[in-house]
Amino acid sequence: EAQVTQNPRYLITVTGKKLTVTCSQNMNHEYMSWYRQDPGLGLRQIYYSMNVEVTDKGDVPEGYKVSRKEKRNFPLILESPSPNQTSLYFCASSPGQESYGYTFGSGTRLTVV
Amino acid sequence: GQNIDQPTEMTATEGAIVQINCTYQTSGFNGLFWYQQHAGEAPTFLSYNVLDGLEEKGRFSSFLSRSKGYSYLLLKELQMKDSASYLCAVKDSNYQLIWGAGTKLIIKP
Repeated sequence: EAQVTQNPRYLITVTGKKLTVTCSQNMNHEYMSWYRQDPGLGLRQIYYSMNVEVTDKGDVPEGYKVSRKEKRNFPLILESPSPNQTSLYFCASSPGQESYGYTFGSGTRLTVV
Repeated sequence: GQNIDQPTEMTATEGAIVQINCTYQTSGFNGLFWYQQHAGEAPTFLSYNVLDGLEEKGRFSSFLSRSKGYSYLLLKELQMKDSASYLCAVKDSNYQLIWGAGTKLIIKP
């Protein structure tokens, strides 16, 4: 089944403890992206990647890191999480940036206390 | 700046028709998308418009007017399972998706 797999679904952590949210797609998509979603604000892009070893900042990159060493994987790293990073996170992929239709992962609800 | 506007919340009755509007101001235009998102779940693709006019897909239709910077999503024969948020998004000149905050649709029996 074609899908984007995110893990974990739920995570509660403490301020300053490094964490990684994994994202993997099995559709050979070139384009991958991370979003956070907060009430009333809609989806905001954190980072995106147009291909292996190519990553770019989105609208809200501060406090996050990403890497794209393989086409299928695009992990999101929070080196020192803070409470304002408590949010619902989505990974998405697409055949290319110009292509229409993003496939989203099931989401990760992160709470930083 | 770039902006997508849609109503925050709408209420409709089961079996009725509802129209959700979206207006946009973006630097360039490379298509408009509608996604459905149930609470706590991932957005799922509903429709894509790049040319003016109406696209129909079963109970759902989407309309686009590029000159007016306007789109709407029309939902017919509403069912309880249509209770969800509906997200409007536009691809700008750099092919980046700009998202609206979403319209929460409440369906009453």
